[in-house]
Amino acid sequence: DAGVIQSPRHEVTEMGQEVTLRCKPISGHNSLFWYRQTMMRGLELLIYFNNNVPIDDSGMPEDRFSAKMPNASFSTLKIQPSEPRDSAVYFCASSFGGRSYEQYFGPGTRLTVT
Amino acid sequence: SQQGEEDPQALSIQEGENATMNCSYKTSINNLQWYRQNSGRGLVHLILIRSNEREKHSGRLRVTLDTSKKSSSLLITASRAADTASYFCATDATRLTFGEGTQLTVNP
Repeated sequence: DAGVIQSPRHEVTEMGQEVTLRCKPISGHNSLFWYRQTMMRGLELLIYFNNNVPIDDSGMPEDRFSAKMPNASFSTLKIQPSEPRDSAVYFCASSFGGRSYEQYFGPGTRLTVT
Repeated sequence: SQQGEEDPQALSIQEGENATMNCSYKTSINNLQWYRQNSGRGLVHLILIRSNEREKHSGRLRVTLDTSKKSSSLLITASRAADTASYFCATDATRLTFGEGTQLTVNP
């Protein structure tokens, strides 16, 4: 298995631009998580999907952030418009069974907003 | 906060020594998980211990859980330079949330 796949691995954009991060979970996993990691705030859970349905989006910082999971093999995290404080590493993770099961993390997308 | 909180924040040891990291949490849990993160990489799951378990082993890893004290420890025996990484605990409670991690440095 290829593991969780994220793209792009690095993204540099200017303030105000739209950013779309992509994730392909491990085949057969029914839960998908988006995290953000910064030095200041550590690892934060942004949103959690189960069977393609958003279950907990209380970690989404504000309306500029949106996430979708149109099918079991693909999810996007969109930031529009982006701001410098959004600079972070964004991780996608998947699991079979939800929050109480081990999560498999992707390599992350390092986002820099200038 | 329901997140796990690791201590110490940083630990530096010599190769071959044992490393012990601790995690405390605040609410009742179903399970507690330990993860490792190498610099610039995603987290890797190490071990999951359920609330009805007291100890679990996996290779050189030993995890204990004390639900009465709401704490867990991760012991890495006979450490290697390759164990250098950040270690996080995470509790499921209502959301799987991570602490700030313990940065372990194993010096060759």
